[in-house]
Amino acid sequence: QVQVVQSAAEVKKPGASVKVSCKASGYTFTDYYIHWVRQAPGQGLEWMGWMHPSGGGTSYAQKFQGRVAMTRDTTISTAYMDLSRLTSDDTAVYYCARGPWSGGADYWGQGTLVTVSS
Amino acid sequence: DIQMTQSPSSLSASVGDRVTITCRASQGISNYLAWYQQKPGRVPKLLIYSASTLQSGVPSRFSGSGSGTDFTLTISSLQPEDVATYYCQKYNTVPRTFGQGTKVEMK
Repeated sequence: QVQVVQSAAEVKKPGASVKVSCKASGYTFTDYYIHWVRQAPGQGLEWMGWMHPSGGGTSYAQKFQGRVAMTRDTTISTAYMDLSRLTSDDTAVYYCARGPWSGGADYWGQGTLVTVSS
Repeated sequence: DIQMTQSPSSLSASVGDRVTITCRASQGISNYLAWYQQKPGRVPKLLIYSASTLQSGVPSRFSGSGSGTDFTLTISSLQPEDVATYYCQKYNTVPRTFGQGTKVEMK
């Protein structure tokens, strides 16, 4: 069965970087995009960008351009999301999710809480 | 970028009521629209894609319609387990913007 498992919660200081991992299993990792979506406390869903594991191509929301990097290691079916220059506004649950090029994201990770605090 | 606007922001309904949520795109997106359900403290779940196609395993009381700029999600007979926040998301182009969400509560 398809599973998407994310790394554990992180606490970071302002100005630091965080790297969240997303391990996929139960399907061919290179056949589907990996989306990254975040949700600040009490807020809605915010799409950050996506990465296609086959060639590593990415597309980022403009808001995160220059501060985010989405990468992958196909040998272990794992995607990564690196967010740098963290501020308190980046405190959120970060989700990865699998999705086709055309369609919704059908399998989601459990979420990774990133807390930015001095 | 195309903006997605949902209405209402919240609603309260009784068991068995018909519930309708609207999502409007600032430009036409054909039928490239998905709906998600997020229960309190849970991960979002895909309900509908291509505006009206039910994801496998989703109860038939959920339905979607629309094309272009105006879309609706309908719950034909609200059940207690449907208490959640519902989000639309467009996916014709990037960024794949979400609507701001509609919180459905039980009266």
